[in-house]
Amino acid sequence: QVQLMESGGGVVQPGRSLRLSCEASGFTFSSYGMHWVRQAPGKGLEWVALISYDGGQEYYADSVKGQFTISRDNSRTTLYLQMNSLREEDTAVYYCGRGGEAWSFDFWGQGTLVTVSS
Amino acid sequence: QSALTQPASVSGSPGQSITISCTGTSSDVGGFNYVSWYQQHPGKAPKLMIYDVTNRPSGVSNRFSGSKSDNTASLTISGLQAEDEADYYCMSYSRSSTVVFGGGTKVTVL
Repeated sequence: QVQLMESGGGVVQPGRSLRLSCEASGFTFSSYGMHWVRQAPGKGLEWVALISYDGGQEYYADSVKGQFTISRDNSRTTLYLQMNSLREEDTAVYYCGRGGEAWSFDFWGQGTLVTVSS
Repeated sequence: QSALTQPASVSGSPGQSITISCTGTSSDVGGFNYVSWYQQHPGKAPKLMIYDVTNRPSGVSNRFSGSKSDNTASLTISGLQAEDEADYYCMSYSRSSTVVFGGGTKVTVL
């Protein structure tokens, strides 16, 4: 069955960097676009970034453009999110999601919490 | 990338039908048939309930249905059950291969 497992979250000081990972299994990872979505505590969902199935195209929300970088390693069936110059407003649970039919997310991981605090 | 507009809360009694609206613009909801809906229980990951405005993934109850008119999409839950109590989010494709979520609606079963 499809499984997505995020890791790499934790507490980090403002201005520092963090890299999240999302390990995929149960499907042909290299055939699907993949997304990152975040949810600040008590708030709604916010789309963060998309990477195409082959890693050739990347798209970002305006709020993270130039600060975050999405990437993937299809040989390791793993998705990444490099987050630089972190700010307190980046505090959130970060989910990876598989791009499903058209522009939907058909499977989600359980999320990893990133807390930016001094 | 402005968030889509959803009501903060909707409630209904068991067995009733409720509808959640999701209003965007011609650049997102109105411009494409790529609206999806997600259910999220507290502390859990979201779950896809509707995609491409009206389609249900395998395993999702037919009590859930979607529609769209102009710049507003809607999710209807019929025969409301206690397990339907959750947060619901709409999402739409927007310009230039980006997506935008609604602010979320808390559904309460009275």
